[in-house]
Amino acid sequence: GQQVMQIPQYQHVQEGEDFTTYCNSSTTLSNIQWYKQRPGGHPVFLIQLVKSGEVKKQKRLTFQFGEAKKNSSLHITATQTTDVGTYFCAVPFYGGSQGNLIFGKGTKLSVKP
Amino acid sequence: DGGITQSPKYLFRKEGQNVTLSCEQNLNHDAMYWYRQDPGQGLRLIYYSQIVNDFQKGDIAEGYSVSREKKESFPLTVTSAQKNPTAFYLCASRGRGGEQYFGPGTRLTVT
Repeated sequence: GQQVMQIPQYQHVQEGEDFTTYCNSSTTLSNIQWYKQRPGGHPVFLIQLVKSGEVKKQKRLTFQFGEAKKNSSLHITATQTTDVGTYFCAVPFYGGSQGNLIFGKGTKLSVKP
Repeated sequence: DGGITQSPKYLFRKEGQNVTLSCEQNLNHDAMYWYRQDPGQGLRLIYYSQIVNDFQKGDIAEGYSVSREKKESFPLTVTSAQKNPTAFYLCASRGRGGEQYFGPGTRLTVT
C-alpha cells in the first residue's frame, strides 16, 4: 500500500545549529504538505508544495519538493527554541476519498539553548 | 474568531463506558476528519465526512462511531468496544487548498 516515510524520528540540536527532516513517498505525488505540532499542541499547517523541484521559504524555514515529486525536505537554518516541536509531512491518499491525507510519523525536534 | 473547537480538553472515563467527543467548526468547510494520535506516532484516520449527512470509515474505525447532522458539527463517540481508547484525539476540517485545520484536541484517558 501507499507509504510515506519520514526521517529522522528524533533530532536534538544546539540552538543555532541547522535542522533538516526528510519525507519520502512510495508513489509520485501531486503535492505535499508540512505541519508543525508544538509540544502539547495540535498540528498547524505550514505550507503546501505542488511543482516539481519547488523551493519555498518562510523566514528560516526552507521547503523543497523533489524533482521526481516523491520526496521533500524541510530545512531550518539557525534553530531557535521556538522551533521545538514535531514536524509532519502529509501526502494525498490515492485510492480513497479525494482530500484525505496520509501523515508521516513526524520528526521531533528538540533544541538545547 | 474562526476555527475549530474541541471539548473537553481532558476527559477521564471508566472502562466500559461510551464517551462522546465534541468537534465544532465555523470555517464553513464541507470536509471534516477525526484522527487519533498516540505518543511518538503520526496521525491515524478514524472517520471522515466529505459533506453533511455522509461519513466514511478511516483506517482505524473499529470501536468508534460518528454523526454529521450539521455542517458545523462532527462528534465522535468512543465506544466500549474500542480496545485501547486512551489517546489524543484530533478533529480537523479541510480548506479550499486541501490543507487541514486542526482543533486543539481532546486527551482521553480510560481506566
